[in-house]
Amino acid sequence: GQQVMQIPQYQHVQEGEDFTTYCNSSTTLSNIQWYKQRPGGHPVFLIQLVKSGEVKKQKRLTFQFGEAKKNSSLHITATQTTDVGTYFCAGPGNAGNMLTFGGGTRLMVKP
Amino acid sequence: ETGVTQSPTHLIKTRGQQVTLRCSSQSGHNTVSWYQQALGQGPQFIFQYYREEENGRGNFPPRFSGLQFPNYSSELNVNALELDDSALYLCASSLVGQGNTEAFFGQGTRLTVV
Repeated sequence: GQQVMQIPQYQHVQEGEDFTTYCNSSTTLSNIQWYKQRPGGHPVFLIQLVKSGEVKKQKRLTFQFGEAKKNSSLHITATQTTDVGTYFCAGPGNAGNMLTFGGGTRLMVKP
Repeated sequence: ETGVTQSPTHLIKTRGQQVTLRCSSQSGHNTVSWYQQALGQGPQFIFQYYREEENGRGNFPPRFSGLQFPNYSSELNVNALELDDSALYLCASSLVGQGNTEAFFGQGTRLTVV
């Protein structure tokens, strides 16, 4: 079945440093979504990418969808302590409107 | 706030017991999905309901079952609880048919099986 993998699993950065998480799917995706989950919280939708090679920005966050629509990345410029949390990518699954989530990248920011 | 509410927020059950978790979807949404999130892992799809019918199921045994009601609220039932069922159970509502498949998650129910 479809697999979605993320690397790295964990990332410690000093506040102000940049951060990138990578997402790879075993199959071509019609779209990719990104979610953020704060410690003790629930996943919150960040963005959806649909087009091959698409790049979208939200303030310090830059999301990219690969040309082959099998990989994606999230880059955060100049991290802040408010960026702490686990970032998940998710692609459409095989059934209904389901999402297949990656394992997530947990970001820790040292002030 | 997503408008998706789950109850209870925390629950402790004994192995072998049965549990029912509840979810109230965001107003206007016609689809509800349930996910299991073990500690340190990504959410795993359990099943989805659309217009009160099961519309897809993940790799979970039949002792995981669900219902969706006419007001789009939903229940997740788990029978014969096992220790490995300890996890955060997330309900997510969405509006199918609008192109955007964004899921709005509730705060989850933390289930501990002892």
